[in-house]
Amino acid sequence: EAGVVQSPRYKIIEKKQPVAFWCNPISGHNTLYWYRQNLGQGPELLIRYENEEAVDDSQLPKDRFSAERLKGVDSTLKIQPAELGDSAVYLCASSLAWVNNEQFFGPGTRLTVL
Amino acid sequence: RKEVEQDPGPFNVPEGATVAFNCTYSNSASQSFFWYRQDCRKEPKLLMSVYSSGNEDGRFTAQLNRASQYISLLIRDSKLSDSATYLCVVNAGSSNTGKLIFGQGTTLQVKP
Repeated sequence: EAGVVQSPRYKIIEKKQPVAFWCNPISGHNTLYWYRQNLGQGPELLIRYENEEAVDDSQLPKDRFSAERLKGVDSTLKIQPAELGDSAVYLCASSLAWVNNEQFFGPGTRLTVL
Repeated sequence: RKEVEQDPGPFNVPEGATVAFNCTYSNSASQSFFWYRQDCRKEPKLLMSVYSSGNEDGRFTAQLNRASQYISLLIRDSKLSDSATYLCVVNAGSSNTGKLIFGQGTTLQVKP
């Protein structure tokens, strides 16, 4: 069974440029999460989807970050414009349901903003 | 105060040693607790859930002390392959929502 797929794996951009990350969760997983992980820190939740609905986006910086999961399967996270402080690893995870289910993480996208 | 606090280490131990990691959490309403393992430049993966009665999986033992809001992970007979960062993870509130709060991780380096 394929795991969570993310692309690109690495991205280097200059500040003020836009960037987008893509995630395809494990087949059948209704819940999808986007996390940001800074160096030396644990992942921090940005947004959680139940199917196509964003049910928790309280920690998403909405002035520059946006996300979508139009058909309730794959998802895109966008930053526009990127800032130096956005350099981090962006992890996508999925689970069967949101209650006490193991979250499976993708390999992440390592973003460097110059 | 951070919601989940861990000693970042690193813990440097010889093969065969027993090592213990501790974690404290601030939300007394939290109901679910986990240890995730993260290898260098890889994604986190679930190591084990932590139950109130304590639980064991091979060389790994996890314990929960709700009164002290404290979680521990004990690794016996350490192997070189145990070298990784161990993330203490707590759910955000009493409703067992999917929101997990991750500690910053404790790094373990097992040396030959």
